[in-house]
Amino acid sequence: AQSVTQLGSHVSVSEGALVLLRCNYSSSVPPYLFWYVQYPNQGLQLLLKYTSAATLVKGINGFEAEFKKSETSFHLTKPSAHMSDAAEYFCAVSEGGTSYGKLTFGQGTILTVHP
Amino acid sequence: ETGVTQSPTHLIKTRGQQVTLRCSSQSGHNTVSWYQQALGQGPQFIFQYYREEENGRGNFPPRFSGLQFPNYSSELNVNALELDDSALYLCASSLLLAGTEQFFGPGTRLTVL
Repeated sequence: AQSVTQLGSHVSVSEGALVLLRCNYSSSVPPYLFWYVQYPNQGLQLLLKYTSAATLVKGINGFEAEFKKSETSFHLTKPSAHMSDAAEYFCAVSEGGTSYGKLTFGQGTILTVHP
Repeated sequence: ETGVTQSPTHLIKTRGQQVTLRCSSQSGHNTVSWYQQALGQGPQFIFQYYREEENGRGNFPPRFSGLQFPNYSSELNVNALELDDSALYLCASSLLLAGTEQFFGPGTRLTVL
């Protein structure tokens, strides 16, 4: 069974500071990994995904994530936070085979950006 | 290109009632997945439909049921509503391919009183 753990339900940074949101996963097979962002009263928007190509994945809005198999991690980073980055972020895992499309999400991390 | 749309936006029901939520998939997608997002939680997988057949189900009771139509639009039906069913219900459309992105709609906020 697959699972996702996001360390830290709330992260607060200053504008211009590094953003680091942590995600660890558990999967019995090589996983597909995703980061989604959710703004208040909206659905989920894909930031980036890992599908067994390059381990460093670049996404939209300056975000990137690195897949580390040995650490079963897929942490999300952004070098310089912007006020518009304030939102809730979800890490998700999907396995192949008959589980195509079944996303298992973490509990989410609320990012607050201070001026 | 039209994205994923859901209706209604908000809904209030009382315990024991039945509800139907609707989703219109993104053009060209043949797969729809439904998720329940309780307040302060991550989305939880309810079930997925591929070409009008259920193609996987999460840990939800049978009173949660669905349909997918030939035009790939979809419905989520919940019978005998319980207070704990209050949540944001998200629909996502995609192609049935490994690692493919799911495109989410804005959700339907269901409140059960």
